Amino acid sequence: SQKIEQNSEALNIQEGKTATLTCNYTNYSPAYLQWYRQDPGRGPVFLLLIRENEKEKRKERLKVTFDTTLKQSLFHITASQPADSATYLCAIPSYDKVIFGPGTSLSVIP
Amino acid sequence: NAGVMQNPRHLVRRRGQEARLRCSPMKGHSHVYWYRQLPEEGLKFMVYLQKENIIDESGMPKERFSAEFPKEGPSILRIQQVVRGDSAAYFCASSPTGQGAGETQYFGPGTRLLVL
Repeated sequence: SQKIEQNSEALNIQEGKTATLTCNYTNYSPAYLQWYRQDPGRGPVFLLLIRENEKEKRKERLKVTFDTTLKQSLFHITASQPADSATYLCAIPSYDKVIFGPGTSLSVIP
Repeated sequence: NAGVMQNPRHLVRRRGQEARLRCSPMKGHSHVYWYRQLPEEGLKFMVYLQKENIIDESGMPKERFSAEFPKEGPSILRIQQVVRGDSAAYFCASSPTGQGAGETQYFGPGTRLLVL
């Protein structure tokens, strides 16, 4: 079955820098990959979806890449702000459902 | 358009009692997913339902757990004879169609279950 790995360590970066989060999967390349944000005590919120035939997707300060050869997606937040501090989850489809990675905790330090 | 609603937000039960968690999907959404999240862990899929049908329950423990999504009313996740290990946050998500085409899931605020 598909297994998803994300940065195991929490990521601390200085405000204004670019944060880069990694999502790796183990088996077949999925038709698409999603990224969600989760704040403490709340449900995840969808951010971006990238399909297997897309190399890169952007939305405001967010950028996602998808490399099916490396079986990896990178999630970038440029010009990071303290308000970007949260846990970021990647998710890929598995049959009729979506499975989530363990998430990466990001802290943006003022 | 109200988002996904879950209630109660917090639920305290003693060992052996029953827990009933409710989820009202977004208007127009007929697909519901339940997840469990333990502290410092990711979301674990439990069950996927479409109106009146269980589509995939591969993540659901075989005993004590059940889920339904009736024609009328919210989806219910039921945990019988709760044990301390059931303490977790339970999230519900809904989507207008299934996940095949990459449909976004909209999550509720979760129910935090504490078993004493």
